[in-house]
Amino acid sequence: DTGVSQDPRHKITKRGQNVTFRCDPISEHNRLYWYRQTLGQGPEFLTYFQNEAQLEKSRLLSDRFSAERPKGSFSTLEIQRTEQGDSAMYLCASSTRDRGGTQYFGPGTRLLVL
Amino acid sequence: GEDVEQSLFLSVREGDSSVINCTYTDSSSTYLYWYKQEPGAGLQLLTYIFSNMDMKQDQRLTVLLNKKDKHLSLRIADTQTGDSAIYFCAVFSNQFYFGTGTSLTVIP
Repeated sequence: DTGVSQDPRHKITKRGQNVTFRCDPISEHNRLYWYRQTLGQGPEFLTYFQNEAQLEKSRLLSDRFSAERPKGSFSTLEIQRTEQGDSAMYLCASSTRDRGGTQYFGPGTRLLVL
Repeated sequence: GEDVEQSLFLSVREGDSSVINCTYTDSSSTYLYWYKQEPGAGLQLLTYIFSNMDMKQDQRLTVLLNKKDKHLSLRIADTQTGDSAIYFCAVFSNQFYFGTGTSLTVIP
């Protein structure tokens, strides 16, 4: 296993378009997290899954954002009607079932909304 | 929520030791981490410490935890140019909170 992977690595879109990102976690990890990171800031928590269940969502996650993990393996993060303020790096991380278990991050998807 | 603070910049000469500091507010934080991020890349886990420990050493890295002052530090011995990156402190108290990152520049 080569770690957490994300696809695409970069995405440029026009305002108002929908985008979808994919994350493949480390195979034995049942917890999966999404974060958003803007320039000069640390990652901000968006949401996390334990297996296929979405257990927590940040207030940062507006109703234009939706995340799924249908089979408890890979996850998708969709942003509808993108806005310029959505431009950021979207990071995915996975960890074992232990609460507070060490998170391993993917390389991120950098989104630019024009 | 938790506030995690770091100084923004640190500059050291190659071969010297670097010390990156972090303060947090929630005394119930149980796990504390240091991550490294290079330009355009994701976060790489460097080391972590449990809240019942005071110190952890891992090769060139030493983590010190002062629970009373809610202060965490990362010392990098014999700093190399390849250590230039942004270093994030992260704490877990019900969820993960990250600091704003410290940009370390190593001068040859």
